[in-house]
Amino acid sequence: DAGVIQSPRHEVTEMGQEVTLRCKPISGHDYLFWYRQTMMRGLELLIYFNNNVPIDDSGMPEDRFSAKMPNASFSTLKIQPSEPRDSAVYFCASSRPGEGTDTQYFGPGTRLTVL
Amino acid sequence: AQKITQTQPGMFVQEKEAVTLDCTYDTSDPSYGLFWYKQPSSGEMIFLIYQGSYDQQNATEGRYSLNFQKARKSANLVISASQLGDSAMYFCAMRGLRAGNNRKLIWGLGTSLAVNP
Repeated sequence: DAGVIQSPRHEVTEMGQEVTLRCKPISGHDYLFWYRQTMMRGLELLIYFNNNVPIDDSGMPEDRFSAKMPNASFSTLKIQPSEPRDSAVYFCASSRPGEGTDTQYFGPGTRLTVL
Repeated sequence: AQKITQTQPGMFVQEKEAVTLDCTYDTSDPSYGLFWYKQPSSGEMIFLIYQGSYDQQNATEGRYSLNFQKARKSANLVISASQLGDSAMYFCAMRGLRAGNNRKLIWGLGTSLAVNP
């Protein structure tokens, strides 16, 4: 089975530009999570969805960040305008409750560099 | 409040030896799950092993096992017969399992493991 797919794997952009990160969860998983990882703050949950509906967005840093899940197989995380402090690795993960462990499976991540 | 503590920022182990990575947790949830993930230098987060708070036995998964001591609130990861490919960051995480619980995982800061040849 295909795992979580993220694109792009690397993104380099200039301050002020719009950045869109994409994620395709594992088929059949109805929870989707967006994380950000930096050396300073570690792994932070930004937002998560259940059945395409945002459940907890308390980790979204500010209005510059937005996330959508238009259908069960696609989600986006958008940063507009981007700033150098947004440079990080952004992970998408998905899970399927009812399997007992409710384990989150991660995508390979998008390494974002904002110059 | 829920919290995960990993007190070992870095660990070294000789190839083929066993190593224990510490994880202690704090939670008021009566039912919870504990997870370990591996992050090699390539960056991906790889799920390793899960322990439920009501599981009667310690979880095992190949060379990975979990030394779960509920009274001490510890869930240490044991890697047996270390291999060079085990060199990575290891993260402990936890989630409450009550119905209606937020699905958010609480993460530790990680332990960097280096396996020496």
